[in-house]
Amino acid sequence: DAKTTQPPSMDCAEGRAANLPCNHSTISGNEYVYWYRQIHSQGPQYIIHGLKNNETNEMASLIITEDRKSSTLILPHATLRDTAVYYCIVRALDSNYQLIWGAGTKLIIKP
Amino acid sequence: DAGVIQSPRHEVTEMGQEVTLRCKPISGHNSLFWYRQTMMRGLELLIYFNNNVPIDDSGMPEDRFSAKMPNASFSTLKIQPSEPRDSAVYFCASTDRGSSYEQYFGPGTRLTVT
Repeated sequence: DAKTTQPPSMDCAEGRAANLPCNHSTISGNEYVYWYRQIHSQGPQYIIHGLKNNETNEMASLIITEDRKSSTLILPHATLRDTAVYYCIVRALDSNYQLIWGAGTKLIIKP
Repeated sequence: DAGVIQSPRHEVTEMGQEVTLRCKPISGHNSLFWYRQTMMRGLELLIYFNNNVPIDDSGMPEDRFSAKMPNASFSTLKIQPSEPRDSAVYFCASTDRGSSYEQYFGPGTRLTVT
């Protein structure tokens, strides 16, 4: 699976949009971009995933660049409960279910 | 649905003792994963099962660790004998092969070996 690069930490003001970048310059054509988050003392939680089109769900939006070498997770109106470590993972949809977890980005939402 | 259920939530044991962690996946999910998380090493996959069959146990640290899935609704991770370096949070996750590979995680078991 392709490796990802994320900033170790970010701050965002409550109520503002939080934009979390992820670099995956070696991504292959059949690899998807997944985002998970882990709130303190909880298990990781799936947020969203995409291949090449931008995606949106009730939690967030995922913007993938046209060359697919980077992506941005957008939390449109961040709340204090969005403080968590956010993981960007790329992997292909094959018979191997493994997710390779990096260090993620620690997002702190400030009041 | 109650989600993935893990027990116990916390376990404190002495070095050398046997520890058994339990997991009940989401009903209907046919893949189950055991992870370990520490500050030093982050989140590591230990083993995963498809349809109750272990597929890849290359992440299991050593022979002291073993995992079983006797049926679709139950799995155990056993450490025997336990050592202080096994102290970590152990997560169980499950997924539906028909889904888009979303893994649903349990709340974890915090293991402390003294």
